[in-house]
Amino acid sequence: EVQLLESGGGLVQPGGSLRLSCAASGFTFSSYAMSWVRQVPGKGLEWVSVMSGGGGSTYYADSVKGRFTISRDKSKSTLYLQMNSLRAEDTAVYYCAKVGLGRAAHAFDYWGQGTLVTVSS
Amino acid sequence: QSVLTQPPSASGTPGQRVTISCSGSSSNIGSNTVSWYQQLPGTAPKLLIYSNNQRPSGVPDRFSGSKSGTSASLAISGLQSEEEADYYCAAWDDSLTGWVFGGGTKLTVL
Repeated sequence: EVQLLESGGGLVQPGGSLRLSCAASGFTFSSYAMSWVRQVPGKGLEWVSVMSGGGGSTYYADSVKGRFTISRDKSKSTLYLQMNSLRAEDTAVYYCAKVGLGRAAHAFDYWGQGTLVTVSS
Repeated sequence: QSVLTQPPSASGTPGQRVTISCSGSSSNIGSNTVSWYQQLPGTAPKLLIYSNNQRPSGVPDRFSGSKSGTSASLAISGLQSEEEADYYCAAWDDSLTGWVFGGGTKLTVL
């Protein structure tokens, strides 16, 4: 059974940093691209970043480029999101999502339960 | 302002068929496949449709998807009360080199 468990969310001041983690299990972690998607409470979904299975390719939304860094540890089957220079508009629930393969290569086939990040003074 | 355009709301009565539209452009829906997600209140999104019209195992065949040009749609037939949720479309965008989502459609079962 595929499981994605996010952690690391919390309250941080504007300008501060936070690192989110997503522990994955139930599949061969290194074979799949992994992504972060966020959602402001009561609002829609916004894609944040994706990293390829091997870690060689990364992409970011313009809204976080230069401030957020996605990474993964194959030995721990864990995906990370380092968030620096946080702003109030980064306040959201952050979901870890597994990207499918083949015909599902452009879809998020499994999602974690999310972790809330609040940026406020 | 979302890159993909969905109606903010839709409604239907139990047993009815409802459709939700998703409009994009040549850089996203026009050149890549569309996926759809269901988000029940207080839960994480769940994949409903991938590759425009494919259902993951476990998704009832009452859910169907289609795509034509730069638009896509999700249809739910035999609507059930437990399907009251938010529905999102998504696609990879070649110009933005990232995924784009629709703003979401809140489905109400009357």
